Amino acid sequence: GAVVSQHPSRVICKSGTSVKIECRSLDFQATTMFWYRQFPKKSLMLMATSNEGSKATYEQGVEKDKFLINHASLTLSTLTVTSAHPEDSSFYICSASGGIGYEQYFGPGTRLTVT
Amino acid sequence: DAKTTQPTSMDCAEGRAANLPCNHSTISGNEYVYWYRQIHSQGPQYIIHGLKNNETNEMASLIITEDRKSSTLILPHATLRDTAVYYCIVRVSTGANNLFFGTGTRLTVIP
Repeated sequence: GAVVSQHPSRVICKSGTSVKIECRSLDFQATTMFWYRQFPKKSLMLMATSNEGSKATYEQGVEKDKFLINHASLTLSTLTVTSAHPEDSSFYICSASGGIGYEQYFGPGTRLTVT
Repeated sequence: DAKTTQPTSMDCAEGRAANLPCNHSTISGNEYVYWYRQIHSQGPQYIIHGLKNNETNEMASLIITEDRKSSTLILPHATLRDTAVYYCIVRVSTGANNLFFGTGTRLTVIP
């Protein structure tokens, strides 16, 4: 299957700082990328959907000003957690798709710890 | 998207077949059944999907009942590396391709 990478795999930051997570599709053009969040022993929760060149669509309850998503190219999407707090500590996973009806391929995830 | 119901956890002896059930009684005619798995601290991995016919690939087999209200994922010879959470998801074949994950089944393969 297609390969999706995330960087960094782990990050620790202090409260009040911002952290950026990158999601890249390595061998295909991803017109749509998805960002999920997963708390320990819980299932994945979809945060937002982004289409290349458009504003992201956020799921209900997800603050768009706190979780900034940029999808400026067909191979890169970024998630920036702004003014991070300890409760933002989580496992963030991205996935990428070639478009409507195409399969989603998942990245390996980024573990964020806010101290 | 239709909702699915899966057992919370299952055990399977190494080398034996693991049969993971899923109920999706409200599935619509244009919805596929997808299976993903998530090994601890990794991203989900696609396993298999089907519409109404049984499917088989190098990883698993998918058996869908004739009324499509339930399905079973079969790992024919489970290994310790198959220990993971297995998610059954139904999703429309066209339109937005969001995947909504339920709680899944935690499969533990026992030596």
